[in-house]
Amino acid sequence: DVKVTQSSRYLVKRTGEKVFLECVQDMDHENMFWYRQDPGLGLRLIYFSYDVKMKEKGDIPEGYSVSREKKERFSLILESASTNQTSMYLCASSMRDSSYNLPLHFGNGTRLTVT
Amino acid sequence: KNQVEQSPQSLIILEGKNCTLQCNYTVSPFSNLRWYKQDTGRGPVSLTIMTFSENTKSNGRYTATLDADTKQSSLHITASQLSDSASYICVVSAYASGGGADGLTFGKGTHLIIQP
Repeated sequence: DVKVTQSSRYLVKRTGEKVFLECVQDMDHENMFWYRQDPGLGLRLIYFSYDVKMKEKGDIPEGYSVSREKKERFSLILESASTNQTSMYLCASSMRDSSYNLPLHFGNGTRLTVT
Repeated sequence: KNQVEQSPQSLIILEGKNCTLQCNYTVSPFSNLRWYKQDTGRGPVSLTIMTFSENTKSNGRYTATLDADTKQSSLHITASQLSDSASYICVVSAYASGGGADGLTFGKGTHLIIQP
């Protein structure tokens, strides 16, 4: 079974802090993704990566950056945390597939609270 | 703009009963439709993926249908169990330039509660 592990289940940070969310997958997947999930809004794509050192902006990249130095690890960085970044953050991975028919495998999320 | 609408927003049924969740979409060009189950405090888990040519797909007590002409899908749960209590998310994939998954449009989910 694919395992996607997010380093923290719960985080509480102060406004203005730099925050690192870490995600590791163990199935040699090429694709990795960061989403945030808010009540009433569903999942929204922040950033994704198709390969080491590659990154692409998703729908809501403002205030975030990412790092993918190794294939198995994808980090989300909040440069200066703000209260509107309080959310559930979900990491996901998938194999690269030309048919686009493979599922995403999600981690269990990090619930971040910015005070 | 690509959109996925799910109904109802929430649903409460008694254990053992059947239920059907709906998903309507306007996504182009259509690649596939996925249903995910998300337990409280956990990440979503894939239930089914259906391509344009597939009308029905089952995964145990879960059966998904797809009508590509009307752009509608449903997820039918048979003989519900307490463990079915979760959010069910419909996700539609459009062909995209990269690995594909960046072309996903997520519905907001249906929150299902199974009562004993």
